[in-house]
Amino acid sequence: AAGVIQSPRHLIKEKRETATLKCYPIPRHDTVYWYQQGPGQDPQFLISFYEKMQSDKGSIPDRFSAQQFSDYHSELNMSSLELGDSALYFCASSPGTSGKYNEQFFGPGTRLTVL
Amino acid sequence: AQKITQTQPGMFVQEKEAVTLDCTYDTSDPSYGLFWYKQPSSGEMIFLIYQGSYDQQNATEGRYSLNFQKARKSANLVISASQLGDSAMYFCAMREPPSNKLTFGGGTRVLVKP
Repeated sequence: AAGVIQSPRHLIKEKRETATLKCYPIPRHDTVYWYQQGPGQDPQFLISFYEKMQSDKGSIPDRFSAQQFSDYHSELNMSSLELGDSALYFCASSPGTSGKYNEQFFGPGTRLTVL
Repeated sequence: AQKITQTQPGMFVQEKEAVTLDCTYDTSDPSYGLFWYKQPSSGEMIFLIYQGSYDQQNATEGRYSLNFQKARKSANLVISASQLGDSAMYFCAMREPPSNKLTFGGGTRVLVKP
């Protein structure tokens, strides 16, 4: 079965650089979520999209922006990177109410390291 | 706001034994969903089991079962017949409206000993 695809899997950037993380949800999933998991921490919700519209926003810095495109893939853009942005970034997709539990399926994550 | 609490930061369990991971939650929403995810050292988040607030029976999925005590606001995960591959971090999470984003607990690290 198809899973959520995230690219790149690993990314190393310098401070003040920009980064773009990509997420390709499971086909026919209409909702995408982004989470940030710092070292030794639980995942924290950043932002979500439903049918290409932003549906919710969490503790996402103003330096970050995201969007969902017409093919439902999503991109998280991060500018002026800081050391504290080093984390594992998850994308999750959900089939919404058509799913058995409305559960979220997580991608493998992008590990971002800011030097 | 919803809150999830996992009070056990880490625990050891002997192979083939059962282990219970605690999770308590707080919400004012009468309709909610609780999830358990497993995160191995490789980092991926693996969905294990789900319990809805209106479900009459405790959820079970293979070796995983959920001890759901609604009045106590607890949703403990029971892993039976532990295997070495069960060694991982386990997160309890609650679905939060309106977007159904997940709020996670702090996690419990389980190490299965042979």
